[in-house]
Amino acid sequence: AQSVTQLDSQVPVFEEAPVELRCNYSSSVSVYLFWYVQYPNQGLQLLLKYLSGSTLVKGINGFEAEFNKSQTSFHLRKPSVHISDTAEYFCAVSLEDKIIFGKGTRLHILP
Amino acid sequence: DVKVTQSSRYLVKRTGEKVFLECVQDMDHENMFWYRQDPGLGLRLIYFSYDVKMKEKGDIPEGYSVSREKKERFSLILESASTNQTSMYLCASSFLGEEYETQYFGPGTRLLVL
Repeated sequence: AQSVTQLDSQVPVFEEAPVELRCNYSSSVSVYLFWYVQYPNQGLQLLLKYLSGSTLVKGINGFEAEFNKSQTSFHLRKPSVHISDTAEYFCAVSLEDKIIFGKGTRLHILP
Repeated sequence: DVKVTQSSRYLVKRTGEKVFLECVQDMDHENMFWYRQDPGLGLRLIYFSYDVKMKEKGDIPEGYSVSREKKERFSLILESASTNQTSMYLCASSFLGEEYETQYFGPGTRLLVL
C-alpha cells in the first residue's frame, strides 16, 4: 500500500529565510510524486512533480524538491521565502488514476 | 487557462436536507474527483469518475452519492446532510490514463450543516 507522511503540521519561518518541508512516502513500486499548494481560500494547485530522470525537480515560485529513493523522501525547499508563500503545502503520491495526499503542512511566514 | 468551477463557495444547510454540490470543468478531462478537506486530516477521496455515467468509491463514500451525466459535470450529493459532513469540499479533474497526470482543483465549497 502507498502512503504519504508529512512530518510537520506547521512550520514557522522568518521572511527571506530558507525553508524545507518534509515528506516521506511508502510504496512497493515506482512512484510519481507531487507537491501541491493551497493558498488561503483557494483550491490546490500543482507546485511540481517528479516522474523520472533528474532527482532535483524545479517548480513554480522558486520551489524545488529532491527525490531520494533510498530514504523514500521528497522534501520541498525554497532558499528564501516571501510573505506570499503563506499557504498549506501537500505532498502526494500517485496510485493508478488516483492521488494519495499527505495531511498537509502549514507554512507561516514571520515578518 | 484551465478552469474547474464549483457552484457555491459557501453553503449552509440543515440536518436532514438533501444537498447538491456541482462541479464543472472546461478541459475535456475524463477523470473527475470529489474530496473533502478537514483540518489535520488532509484531503480524503469521496468518489471519482473515469467517464460519463461511471463512478468509483473512494476512501470515504458513506453518506454521499455522485452523478456524472455529462463529461464536464460531476455532482456530489448528500442524501441527508448531517453535522459531521460539515467540511470543505474540493472537486478536481485530470486526463485519463497516466498516473502522473496533474489534477486541477476548483476553489472549494465550504459546507456548514446545522
